Amino acid sequence: DAMVIQNPRYQVTQFGKPVTLSCSQTLNHNVMYWYQQKSSQAPKLLFHYYDKDFNNEADTPDNFQSRRPNTSFCFLDIRSPGLGDAAMYLCATSLLAGETQYFGPGTRLLVL
Amino acid sequence: SQQGEEDPQALSIQEGENATMNCSYKTSINNLQWYRQNSGRGLVHLILIRSNEREKHSGRLRVTLDTSKKSSSLLITASRAADTASYFCATEGNFGNEKLTFGTGTRLTIIP
Repeated sequence: DAMVIQNPRYQVTQFGKPVTLSCSQTLNHNVMYWYQQKSSQAPKLLFHYYDKDFNNEADTPDNFQSRRPNTSFCFLDIRSPGLGDAAMYLCATSLLAGETQYFGPGTRLLVL
Repeated sequence: SQQGEEDPQALSIQEGENATMNCSYKTSINNLQWYRQNSGRGLVHLILIRSNEREKHSGRLRVTLDTSKKSSSLLITASRAADTASYFCATEGNFGNEKLTFGTGTRLTIIP
């Protein structure tokens, strides 16, 4: 089945130790998104790619970077995780921006 | 910010009753979408309603959109325990091809 896959589902890292979260899709969608979601809050968009065009949200900290090496894969790099970065990280795709988004199961990040 | 606000923040009802959630937004939109999120999981798309539509149905779900009041409602009829989840509205701005802005969410609990 076509889907959005996120690995790992749970990630534990140490304060300041770089971590990479991955997302892959078999939907062949043009747009891929990374969201941060903290407990009982709405998902907060960090950035999105329209094809290879990278779009950063104005309030996304510099500590967060992203790579999209091809249509299928997108990575979220957190260069120096702080305790405040502990959250659920959601990857989503859509055929076109603004249309229905398909979400992965998320990666829950714990920072010790 | 165009972020939607949802009302109520939390709702508990008996199984079999109908559940109604409301979403208000601030600026003109191209479409409005509703998503469900089970605890600790990714979001699942439920319905997309475009700005020129007033009502849409999908199974036990009914969505209305009133662009003059900048509001939408999601009605779940004959609720089931499996409907327990958080529900988010999300809007696309009216220039098209834009990212979605998520509302604050309603936590729905169905009491068996």
